Amino acid sequence: KQEVTQIPAALSVPEGENLVLNCSFTDSAIYNLQWFRQDPGKGLTSLLLIQSSQREQTSGRLNASLDKSSGRSTLYIAASQPGDSATYLCATFPIQGAQKLVFGQGTRLTINP
Amino acid sequence: GAVVSQHPSWVICKSGTSVKIECRSLDFQATTMFWYRQFPKQSLMLMATSNEGSKATYEQGVEKDKFLINHASLTLSTLTVTSAHPEDSSFYICSARDPGLGPYEQYFGPGTRLTVT
Repeated sequence: KQEVTQIPAALSVPEGENLVLNCSFTDSAIYNLQWFRQDPGKGLTSLLLIQSSQREQTSGRLNASLDKSSGRSTLYIAASQPGDSATYLCATFPIQGAQKLVFGQGTRLTINP
Repeated sequence: GAVVSQHPSWVICKSGTSVKIECRSLDFQATTMFWYRQFPKQSLMLMATSNEGSKATYEQGVEKDKFLINHASLTLSTLTVTSAHPEDSSFYICSARDPGLGPYEQYFGPGTRLTVT
């Protein structure tokens, strides 16, 4: 059974810093891995989706990497801004078992002005 | 493209009443829809998966008679919380999948905040 873990649970950094959020998963047999952003009381916004054959995806100041062999993904945020404050969730779509996304618990990110 | 809407965005109901939440795919046909609930500061918990025209598949521990799911068309799924109680207060999020857009991709709605008084 796939398990997805995100560490740390919460992170607070000053504005302007580059930062990395971590996501690990136990089963490397996945179709894809996706990073989402969730603002308080809101739904999910998809940030980046990495197919299993890809190593990374980039969108603006965001870069997500995928290393299936080690069961890890990272989300790199460059030049952080207060507007980046949100909860970031990663989720994998495992090949084995039920066809459904498996979510991590999320990292609550706070960017301090 | 690939927009999913939910209605209402928030609802308050009295204990013992039923409330219906709608999930619509606006610009694609959702052969499969998913319903999640989320408690404060926790991740999403999958409640059930529904395929158009067939009965929903519920996750372990989710009461199918309490959370009625109907996926009658390719663009609409509904979740009805029957005989709601305060412990049913939560944030409910739906998502939808269209194999034509990517077989392993899901698009999420904005969520519905349910408060039972």
